[in-house]
This record gives sequence, C-alpha cells and structure tokens, in this order.
Amino acid sequence: ETGVTQTPRHLVMGMTNKKSLKCEQHLGHNAMYWYKQSAKKPLELMFVYNFKEQTENNSVPSRFSPECPNSSHLFLHLHTLQPEDSALYLCASSQGGRAGGLNTEAFFGQGTRLTVV
Amino acid sequence: GENVEQHPSTLSVQEGDSAVIKCTYSDSASNYFPWYKQELGKGPQLIIDIRSNVGEKKDQRIAVTLNKTAKHFSLHITETQPEDSAVYFCAASLNTNAGKSTFGDGTTLTVKP
Repeated sequence: ETGVTQTPRHLVMGMTNKKSLKCEQHLGHNAMYWYKQSAKKPLELMFVYNFKEQTENNSVPSRFSPECPNSSHLFLHLHTLQPEDSALYLCASSQGGRAGGLNTEAFFGQGTRLTVV
Repeated sequence: GENVEQHPSTLSVQEGDSAVIKCTYSDSASNYFPWYKQELGKGPQLIIDIRSNVGEKKDQRIAVTLNKTAKHFSLHITETQPEDSAVYFCAASLNTNAGKSTFGDGTTLTVKP
C-alpha cells in the first residue's frame, strides 16, 4: 500500500462509452500525475497538477480530460477512446512541484488496466 | 526534452549473483534519479534514488551510482534472490518535481533459484 489508491483496477469500455478513472492520495502531497504505460513502451507522462492547477499536458488527445478538484483527488475522464488507448493508467503523487519545493519521491498507485473494445 | 536510455532490456542471473542495470540521460539539468521496481499487476515502487549532489548511495543489497559528467547512473543488486525478479525502471527528473520523470524502457530481471 503506497498511499495512492486508484479505482477501478480494471475497466473494459466500448469506443462510444464515457468513463472516469479515479485517484486518491492520503500522503498530504500537492502534486499529482497521470502516466500511461503501454506494452513494450516506457511510462509516458500525460498530465501534471500542482496545487490543483494543471501545469503540464504532454500533447495528450482531448478524448482524455483530467480533473483535479483538490490536492488529494485526481480524475481522468475518458470518452470516444480508440483501441490503441488500451493500457495501464497510473496515478502518482509527490510533494513539491514548484521551484524551491521540498525534495521527496513520487508514489504510484496500482494503476487501472483499461481495455477499449 | 530529456531522453533516458536503459540497458539491458532483459537480464537473467543465478540466485546469489549480482545484477547491474545501466541508464544514461541527456539533460544536464536533471538532478534527481529514482529507480522503481514493478511487479506483475502492481504500480512502480521506488526502491532507491540518488540526487546529483552525491555519487553513490547504498541501501542493504541495493546501490546506485551516478556519474554526472558522463550522464549515466547504474543500479547494483547484490546477493540476488528470486523475489528480486521484476521489471526495473530508471528515471530522471528535477528535485522540485520528483513525479515528473522521464523513464527508461525498463529491464526485466529474472533471478533463477
């Protein structure tokens, strides 16, 4: 248990469906991240949130829509996905995130295994 | 942007032997280098990290070395055990945003009993 909880653990959705992934951290961190992990590819950073504000979007298609209502929760809203979007979606959190912030490590959740059919 | 290369992609060792995984990075501004272990069905878990103000760090059977001039860092696991079998990832980032990392491709380590 890393203190970062992701739900659901597994999700199968059709290309016309709308679903949301949820991430919650109980570590008091103020930075949260979404990563995509595909087979035979390195982890790809998708979004970065610092103090609830999105500070980075790594050219992610608009069919992925993140939401960060507070520093403890992060969502990834999904709609009209493609089969190639099937992957493990990982959430992470850390302290800091601004210049001069504290130096701490990042903690990852267990991930949501997403299959788009 | 940062580019991290990791070698080898697969590594098989006999129980009790040592394992070494090497990574290189391209951005000299990177100053935080974590190593993660990912077991099947789980998320990556930090096992050790090193910051650019030190050259070596050790934690029991695990050690990491950093050569800033050459921009490479390595993970050393001694006295390997079957439970060390997993995928290991190196990463590079800035101290101020430890979760915003560029990852290597991963090394699948198999420790044979």
